[in-house]
Amino acid sequence: AQSVSQHNHHVILSEAASLELGCNYSYGGTVNLFWYVQYPGQHLQLLLKYFSGDPLVKGIKGFEAEFIKSKFSFNLRKPSVQWSDTAEYFCAVGRNSGNTPLVFGKGTRLSVIA
Amino acid sequence: DAGVIQSPRHEVTEMGQEVTLRCKPISGHDYLFWYRQTMMRGLELLIYFNNNVPIDDSGMPEDRFSAKMPNASFSTLKIQPSEPRDSAVYFCASSRRTDHTGELFFGEGSRLTVL
Repeated sequence: AQSVSQHNHHVILSEAASLELGCNYSYGGTVNLFWYVQYPGQHLQLLLKYFSGDPLVKGIKGFEAEFIKSKFSFNLRKPSVQWSDTAEYFCAVGRNSGNTPLVFGKGTRLSVIA
Repeated sequence: DAGVIQSPRHEVTEMGQEVTLRCKPISGHDYLFWYRQTMMRGLELLIYFNNNVPIDDSGMPEDRFSAKMPNASFSTLKIQPSEPRDSAVYFCASSRRTDHTGELFFGEGSRLTVL
């Protein structure tokens, strides 16, 4: 069965600091990879996704993620965080067919302080 | 386009009462998913439907939980009787079969508190 590991439960950063959130998955086949963001009190929204092509994916709000197949990783990055990035971030993995449910990691809470 | 619509947004009820959560998926989406989010367990898949047919309900915690999808535009998740440990945010999500990325579109969630 697929599983997704997010290494950090809670990350606290100062504004303008760089961010990297880890995500590793266990599945040997072709995968689609997602990062979702959940702002306080809101629903999950898509931040970025990868399903083929350039392994460096750019999403909204300056976020990017890099798919490294050999490491089964899809880490999320942002060069300079803002207070408004305070949220919970979920990595998710799906099989390339798209017909099976996504498997989500447990999430990483990011707190950005002034 | 309207997104996934869930109701109620908030529900507070007493232990033993029946709870019904509702979801309207995005028009044209063939898949509908029910997730539960808690601090302890994160986001758990409860059940999902394809073309109104339940495909996998192995995530439904107990017989107290049931879900139906009578048509392509409506689904319910029912808890009877409810217990305090059912307190959580319940999310409905939908996706298109023809979208091979499997991207999910989430509703705003229903926050359930069972006293």
